[in-house]
Amino acid sequence: EPEVTQTPSHQVTQMGQEVILRCVPISNHLYFYWYRQILGQKVEFLVSFYNNEISEKSEIFDDQFSVERPDGSNFTLKIRSTKLEDSAMYFCASGSGGMNYNEQFFGPGTRLTVL
Amino acid sequence: RKEVEQDPGPFNVPEGATVAFNCTYSNSASQSFFWYRQDCRKEPKLLMSVYSSGNEDGRFTAQLNRASQYISLLIRDSKLSDSATYLCVVSRGGADGLTFGKGTHLIIQP
Repeated sequence: EPEVTQTPSHQVTQMGQEVILRCVPISNHLYFYWYRQILGQKVEFLVSFYNNEISEKSEIFDDQFSVERPDGSNFTLKIRSTKLEDSAMYFCASGSGGMNYNEQFFGPGTRLTVL
Repeated sequence: RKEVEQDPGPFNVPEGATVAFNCTYSNSASQSFFWYRQDCRKEPKLLMSVYSSGNEDGRFTAQLNRASQYISLLIRDSKLSDSATYLCVVSRGGADGLTFGKGTHLIIQP
């Protein structure tokens, strides 16, 4: 069964450093998403991406965040200057945009720890 | 006002029992509805989409009441492996992001 993959599984970084989180969505999916979950809190939407551009972003997704699809398979989330409060689990998700239009399938996540 | 509200639990239920979860959502523009389950420190996994007429998948039955903005999930003949956090999720549809509730924690006891 096809699945979303994410690397690394755990990233530790110093405050102020840049991090890039990587995702490989399910191969025939057209819609890509990033979410985060701070420990003990709910999953929060960050951004959606379709046809090589951002289609929607939340107020969490400020100027320090960016997304990119550098090739036909990878989808990345960059955090330019990490803050302590960016420590969270970051999930990538993808959807086919077909009949089950908004069903989204999640990767295993990257746990980001900012020191 | 919280966008998606769920009873956080935990619900402690004996194996074989039936358990029901409820959820309310505040955005009347919501068009897509789901239940996901999340195991500890894992990703959310899609359990089932929820359709207007209600739908069933094996031991799981989901209902939607758009007028009351209310979604439910019923689990029959619960198994130990059903222990998890159940997330009520809504979306405006299309390619929009999902809005999650905080989840209801379920513990099935042998």
